[in-house]
Amino acid sequence: GNSVTQMEGPVTLSEEAFLTINCTYTATGYPSLFWYVQYPGEGLQLLLKATKADDKGSNKGFEATYRKETTSFHLEKGSVQVSDSAVYFCALWTSTSGTYKYIFGTGTRLKVLA
Amino acid sequence: NAGVTQTPKFRILKIGQSMTLQCTQDMNHNYMYWYRQDPGMGLKLIYYSVGAGITDKGEVPNGYNVSRSTTEDFPLRLELAAPSQTSVYFCASSPPRDGTGELFFGEGSRLTVL
Repeated sequence: GNSVTQMEGPVTLSEEAFLTINCTYTATGYPSLFWYVQYPGEGLQLLLKATKADDKGSNKGFEATYRKETTSFHLEKGSVQVSDSAVYFCALWTSTSGTYKYIFGTGTRLKVLA
Repeated sequence: NAGVTQTPKFRILKIGQSMTLQCTQDMNHNYMYWYRQDPGMGLKLIYYSVGAGITDKGEVPNGYNVSRSTTEDFPLRLELAAPSQTSVYFCASSPPRDGTGELFFGEGSRLTVL
């Protein structure tokens, strides 16, 4: 079946450190891949996406590359800020019996210290 | 832009009470979803709808009911509330199957059942 596995948190970093949050997936067909971010007290919002193999999604200094050979979509940022503290969700969007559905990972909490 | 609006934001229920969480979107999206998010966990799909008059169960539908009489509204009803339904509930919508797949979330409704 379809699934998403992402690294467990919490991840605690100092400001300006390099961030990697690992995400791997299992899916039939050709899913689209997403990273969503949830700031405290808010709903999820799209951070970036990639719709086919080798695509790189980017936004607000974050990047992730759709790697079909390793079934991965790792999130990276070169220099994190305190304002990046949030929960990050990896997700895939794929069709099951003609209906498109999302599969979410369990989320990784990031805490950035000044 | 209103986007996806959920009400109420907070609610405390006694065991056995019933209530309806309201969700409305003004983006003319076909797909709408209800998720629950338990502490430290990812999102679990309760119900979804692919258009007015069409609904289907997600992963955790027991204890809930939905209806979709209009494109805009997708209320979630809890019958006979139980402590296990204490959670944060998110409504989301997405446009027709156009390949983008982005989900638009409401701000969430925090429900406590005592």
